[in-house]
Amino acid sequence: DQQVKQNSPSLSVQEGRISILNCDYTNSMFDYFLWYKKYPAEGPTFLISISSIKDKNEDGRFTVFLNKSAKHLSLHIVPSQPGDSAVYFCAASAFDSWGKLQFGAGTQVVVTP
Amino acid sequence: DVKVTQSSRYLVKRTGEKVFLECVQDMDHENMFWYRQDPGLGLRLIYFSYDVKMKEKGDIPEGYSVSREKKERFSLILESASTNQTSMYLCASSPQGGSDEKLFFGSGTQLSVL
Repeated sequence: DQQVKQNSPSLSVQEGRISILNCDYTNSMFDYFLWYKKYPAEGPTFLISISSIKDKNEDGRFTVFLNKSAKHLSLHIVPSQPGDSAVYFCAASAFDSWGKLQFGAGTQVVVTP
Repeated sequence: DVKVTQSSRYLVKRTGEKVFLECVQDMDHENMFWYRQDPGLGLRLIYFSYDVKMKEKGDIPEGYSVSREKKERFSLILESASTNQTSMYLCASSPQGGSDEKLFFGSGTQLSVL
């Protein structure tokens, strides 16, 4: 059973607006969370991460929010740009399972002009 | 430019064939990983290796084996390919002690088993 869930397979957003991608997890042992971005015909690339000791991490246009009590994290992209059109994967790891990142199914983001 | 290179972009094999997927990284990373990506399931870890000749099972190792004879090379082996192994295979690497578990991925090999 998937421990990391991205329930929205796709998201369409206008250029300049905010993109919000959601991710839920079930394993309370997860203590580190990452977002990866994947373009067609390329491998995923690391985007941003957050440790469980924080509730927010920001890097330029990208911000990740973590709500541990709800076992929920979200990625905000502001403002969205056409180059942000890609598949975004949420991933999580537990301190006692090093190396075994658990990935969500991904969300396809399309940014329209 | 540092990279993880997978030897084939596309592969078509027959059921029962032995299949080798090769991966090479030039970043001197200790850790290497094999994932498969399937629609609706995301990336699932097959095997990983944290040192030469060392290997650990991931979440879905059945039907696969791996080989790591040199630090830079990590091979995934399908002993007898089956149609349910049709998938996108992604190799990744990371440095030893990388606390953030940031992985560097190759471009993937799309394997079709007929």
